[in-house]
Amino acid sequence: QSALTQPPSASGSPGQSVTISCTGTSSDVGVYNYVSWYQQHPGKAPKLIIYEVSKRPSGVPDRFSGSKSGNTASLTVSGLQAEDEADYYCSSYAGSNNLVFGGGTKLTVL
Amino acid sequence: EVQLVESGGGLVQPGGSLRLSCAASGFTFSTYAMSWVRQAPGKGLEWVSVITGSATTTYYADSVKGRFTISRDNSKNTLYLQMNGLRAEDTAVYYCAKRPAYSGNWYVFDPWGQGTLVTVSS
Repeated sequence: QSALTQPPSASGSPGQSVTISCTGTSSDVGVYNYVSWYQQHPGKAPKLIIYEVSKRPSGVPDRFSGSKSGNTASLTVSGLQAEDEADYYCSSYAGSNNLVFGGGTKLTVL
Repeated sequence: EVQLVESGGGLVQPGGSLRLSCAASGFTFSTYAMSWVRQAPGKGLEWVSVITGSATTTYYADSVKGRFTISRDNSKNTLYLQMNGLRAEDTAVYYCAKRPAYSGNWYVFDPWGQGTLVTVSS
């Protein structure tokens, strides 16, 4: 199973919005509403910020939102803050008891 | 508070074996599916394996199938990953992760442990 495709980098200034894409296929993102997003700061474990395309776990700021259209899922971070600078990974259930991740996007807050 | 603490990582030669452990606390361990996810140095995340709460069902990524075995001891609140036939490409930080209470799907991970580094090299 191939990894999902994410842009290697993204950036924005404090207060701005930035959107990170996650492109899969009709066998994963396109057919299942089981896309998750994880935030990972350097040297730390990943943290779940979005699951099932657009749901936020308790405690995750509503500045983080998720969506999906066709084979592409998106994570939008609104009102960028310095602490949002991190790596972001998407994942999708791919059927047949398999899960695929994206290659990750490094978000820089300018 | 849910806590997951991995151990057992280290340096091993190609072809060797290693067993990782993940000690869990703060929740009813036997109720939740548990997974292993790895991250090669400077690279992205890769799902490795999952085991149901009752340990009756396991799934593996194709890259480790036949070499790795996931198991759990619910009496000890501990998850394991037995890794045999290790290769250089298995070098990674290995994280254990829990299915959250608010999702019925094993492919959602919250929280994660801090990880343990496995290095396969001669």
